[in-house]
Amino acid sequence: AQTVTQSQPEMSVQEAETVTLSCTYDTSESDYYLFWYKQPPSRQMILVIRQEAYKQQNATENRFSVNFQKAAKSFSLKISDSQLGDAAMYFCAYSEGPTNKLIFGTGTLLAVQP
Amino acid sequence: ETGVTQSPTHLIKTRGQQVTLRCSSQSGHNTVSWYQQALGQGPQFIFQYYREEENGRGNFPPRFSGLQFPNYSSELNVNALELDDSALYLCASSPYRGGMEKLFFGSGTQLSVL
Repeated sequence: AQTVTQSQPEMSVQEAETVTLSCTYDTSESDYYLFWYKQPPSRQMILVIRQEAYKQQNATENRFSVNFQKAAKSFSLKISDSQLGDAAMYFCAYSEGPTNKLIFGTGTLLAVQP
Repeated sequence: ETGVTQSPTHLIKTRGQQVTLRCSSQSGHNTVSWYQQALGQGPQFIFQYYREEENGRGNFPPRFSGLQFPNYSSELNVNALELDDSALYLCASSPYRGGMEKLFFGSGTQLSVL
């Protein structure tokens, strides 16, 4: 069965600095999708960035970028120029196949210090 | 703002009772998924509906059931509530089904079972 592991329960970063959140996953499939979702105190999950496994190029969305290492089954999220509004719980998620089913990790709580 | 609304925001029930949670998606979002998020955990997939038919289910017993309506609203029903059913229930919608789809989440219903 597919699994997603986030080994950092909590992280802290200074405003304007860069932070990297780690994620590893396990799957026997070759075609799948990986996501980072942000869950602020409002509880509403928001998509930060997604990566298609067959694409070697790392996805980038403004200040957010990923380091996708398919052979190592690693999918880390880098947040550059951190802002106070980035403070939230971040979840790494995996998906494949004909449904929208997401398999989530346990999350990393990111604090941004002013 | 994701355009997905859930009601109620909070609910308290007694063990053995039945509960109905509601979700309203954006027009054109033919797929709706439900997730259970226990405290301190990532969301777990309950099931997905596409055009009013269930087309994927996670590891949840039959007392968890759902409905999807033509007006892009949906329901999650849970019978014979157990204490472990206490969690945040999230609904997520998208126009299409498939592993690569961006999901639009609601803010959830916090269910407490006493």
